[in-house]
Amino acid sequence: DVKVTQSSRYLVKRTGEKVFLECVQDMDHENMFWYRQDPGLGLRLIYFSYDVKMKEKGDIPEGYSVSREKKERFSLILESASTNQTSMYLCASRSPVANTQYFGPGTRLTVL
Amino acid sequence: GEDVEQSLFLSVREGDSSVINCTYTDSSSTYLYWYKQEPGAGLQLLTYIFSNMDMKQDQRLTVLLNKKDKHLSLRIADTQTGDSAIYFCAESSAGNNRKLIWGLGTSLAVNP
Repeated sequence: DVKVTQSSRYLVKRTGEKVFLECVQDMDHENMFWYRQDPGLGLRLIYFSYDVKMKEKGDIPEGYSVSREKKERFSLILESASTNQTSMYLCASRSPVANTQYFGPGTRLTVL
Repeated sequence: GEDVEQSLFLSVREGDSSVINCTYTDSSSTYLYWYKQEPGAGLQLLTYIFSNMDMKQDQRLTVLLNKKDKHLSLRIADTQTGDSAIYFCAESSAGNNRKLIWGLGTSLAVNP
């Protein structure tokens, strides 16, 4: 079974703090994704990475950056957290089989 | 841009069948997916169907695809309270770098 883990289930940060969310997958997948999920807005793609050190902006990249130094790890960085970044953050890893994405358990981030 | 639509809510009685519907606009879809999200958790891949198929069955789950009408459905037989969750429909095509286009999710409530 594919395993995708995220560094924290719940996180509370203050406005202006730098926040790191980490995601690790154990299936040697090349492609990884970061989404945020908000009520009524569904899943929105922030960034994705199609290989080590390769990244591409998704639909809502403003206020975020990413890092992919190793194949198994994809980090989402909030350079200066703001209250409108309070959300559920979901990481996914893509299998080449039917292009299926496998998700981590999510990190619920609250920015005060 | 491409779009995936689902009704937001569905309520059924325990033991009945549930049918969750989805429509999409991308005529070059290659795969279509159903994911399940339980409260506070990540998304779990339930099943997927290749666009040249019209039906796929997996235990209590039946997926029907009408490619002409761009309509996808998920039928859950003998619905149980443990099936209460949000169900997301998604599609991918080679044309959008194989990113997934997501519906907003259908919240299924199963009443005893």
